[in-house]
Amino acid sequence: AQTVTQSQPEMSVQEAETVTLSCTYDTSESDYYLFWYKQPPSRQMILVIRQEAYKQQNATENRFSVNFQKAAKSFSLKISDSQLGDAAMYFCAIRGANSKLTFGKGITLSVRP
Amino acid sequence: DVKVTQSSRYLVKRTGEKVFLECVQDMDHENMFWYRQDPGLGLRLIYFSYDVKMKEKGDIPEGYSVSREKKERFSLILESASTNQTSMYLCASSPDRSTAPFGPGTRLTVT
Repeated sequence: AQTVTQSQPEMSVQEAETVTLSCTYDTSESDYYLFWYKQPPSRQMILVIRQEAYKQQNATENRFSVNFQKAAKSFSLKISDSQLGDAAMYFCAIRGANSKLTFGKGITLSVRP
Repeated sequence: DVKVTQSSRYLVKRTGEKVFLECVQDMDHENMFWYRQDPGLGLRLIYFSYDVKMKEKGDIPEGYSVSREKKERFSLILESASTNQTSMYLCASSPDRSTAPFGPGTRLTVT
């Protein structure tokens, strides 16, 4: 079985600052994908970034980057130069060989102007 | 861009009614998923399908069934809706493990 833990239910960041969202996971597989999804008030789930477990290099997508620590089973998301549009719920997820996508409980990020 | 559509954004049904939630994807993806989302619980997998007529139970299948007669369409069925099935329902599809675009969600209220 695979599990994902997001222990912080809420975070707040000042506009233009940097924020890091934490995520830990557990899996018995060696080959898996990790994802961060964003869900704004519109409810549409949007893929922010993904990381393949066999790649050591941390994924980056513009202002979004991850800190992937495979041994520690940690997968945090860093948002640089935070913008008002980044305010949303963020979900961490893992996907193994059976294609099941397992999510954490999510974290609500607010951005202060 | 992959498009995943869901038949309704909002739905209100009565207890005991049979409810169909439809999900359609336009990119010939093998895998399709149904999740429900509740505050404080995140997204929980109800059922998924990896091919036509193939289905597997997720983590919370009780009270639900699914149908996949065509590759592009994956239906979630509530045989007899109950108030504890009031929730947000999200559908996703994917060609492989590297991605899974989602539909816009259906907010179902059972009264």
